[in-house]
Amino acid sequence: QLQLQESGPGLVKPSETLSLTCSVSGGSISSSKYYWAWMRQSPGKGLEWIGSIYYSGSTYFIPSLRSRLTMSVDTSKNQVSLRLTSVTAADTSVYYCARHEKITKSPFDIWGQGTMVTVSS
Amino acid sequence: DIQMTQSPSALAASVGDRVTLTCRASQSISTFLNWYQHKPGKAPKLLIYGAYSLQSGVPSRFSGSGSGTDFTLTISSLQPEDFATYYCQQSDSTPYTFGQGTKLEIK
Repeated sequence: QLQLQESGPGLVKPSETLSLTCSVSGGSISSSKYYWAWMRQSPGKGLEWIGSIYYSGSTYFIPSLRSRLTMSVDTSKNQVSLRLTSVTAADTSVYYCARHEKITKSPFDIWGQGTMVTVSS
Repeated sequence: DIQMTQSPSALAASVGDRVTLTCRASQSISTFLNWYQHKPGKAPKLLIYGAYSLQSGVPSRFSGSGSGTDFTLTISSLQPEDFATYYCQQSDSTPYTFGQGTKLEIK
């Protein structure tokens, strides 16, 4: 069955760049049927959708992060990556990747367990 | 952005109880409403999609209803494994948004 596993540095300094990877196993990230999304949850707060990417590289992002955010797909490694520049303490969160169907208005049906990222000097 | 408001924020209940959680959208989202269960350190789990459709593998004690702006998730008979935080999420339009969650605790 499909599994998603996030990985990242754990600790990032303010103003630096956060890079995370979501590794997909049990299925192909190149499926034409799915988008791959990132969400985050700050301590004590709710979940926030950050953005989604298709295997072709097509993306859509939450407007508040659009200027700092990049997503990419590596089909050879079956991975999706997130890159967030100029991080601040407000970016401290658990980051999740998830899958949703390309058809419009679909739910996030499979999630990873998440990876904690702390922004601190 | 569409704001999602869940109530209550926390609920204490006993095994065997019937519980109903509520989610309200700030504007109509038809039935594009999804419910997730989240336990600490685990991957969130999709329970209900499209307001009332049960995700494959989810026990039938979970049910969803509603349309427009008001939605409910009902657990007909609480089991020990059901104590978790539940989130609603609208998939009607981007940015996709979540409610703040309802933490279901053991009484």
